[in-house]
Amino acid sequence: EAGVAQSPRYKIIEKRQSVAFWCNPISGHATLYWYQQILGQGPKLLIQFQNNGVVDDSQLPKDRFSAERLKGVDSTLKIQPAKLEDSAVYLCASSFLRQNTEAFFGQGTRLTVV
Amino acid sequence: GDSVTQMEGPVTLSEEAFLTINCTYTATGYPSLFWYVQYPGEGLQLLLKATKADDKGSNKGFEATYRKETTSFHLEKGSVQVSDSAVYFCALHGSSNTGKLIFGQGTTLQVKP
Repeated sequence: EAGVAQSPRYKIIEKRQSVAFWCNPISGHATLYWYQQILGQGPKLLIQFQNNGVVDDSQLPKDRFSAERLKGVDSTLKIQPAKLEDSAVYLCASSFLRQNTEAFFGQGTRLTVV
Repeated sequence: GDSVTQMEGPVTLSEEAFLTINCTYTATGYPSLFWYVQYPGEGLQLLLKATKADDKGSNKGFEATYRKETTSFHLEKGSVQVSDSAVYFCALHGSSNTGKLIFGQGTTLQVKP
């Protein structure tokens, strides 16, 4: 089966610019996650969707980050305006709606803010 | 809130040595526990999981036992290989279908021939 698709793979922007990331989860997966992984750290959950509803966004910096999941399938994560500390890999993952099932991860988008 | 703590790395071992990577968690209820691995240049992938107390997850020679009394899920392997060099992440999924999936900080393993 096709995996989780993310684009772009790499992005370099200047601070205060905006950027958007796209994720296409595995077909049939109701749960979609966005993580931020700073170099040398574990993935930090930014937002978790169940179909097109938000389950948790407690660690999403809402003054600059936004995310949506239209029709419960694809999702976009946007940063506006970007800061230097947003440089990280942004990971998208998806899973079935069950606690004991694994999440499948995309390759991630490496963002560099200069 | 829920959290996961892993031993700090990097861990450097010689081939065929015994591996333990410690993981403890804080959670309400009965979370599911996972170990994910990230090989160089690759994405995160599931290594093993355990969904209830005293369950043992195993895969590729790695094992971990869900210990509720000590809130731990330590990863072990009896004889590591150079190909096991990677970053290992302990994770938990909160105790409901809509629970959060959260990760520890990761432990880098380097195996030398």
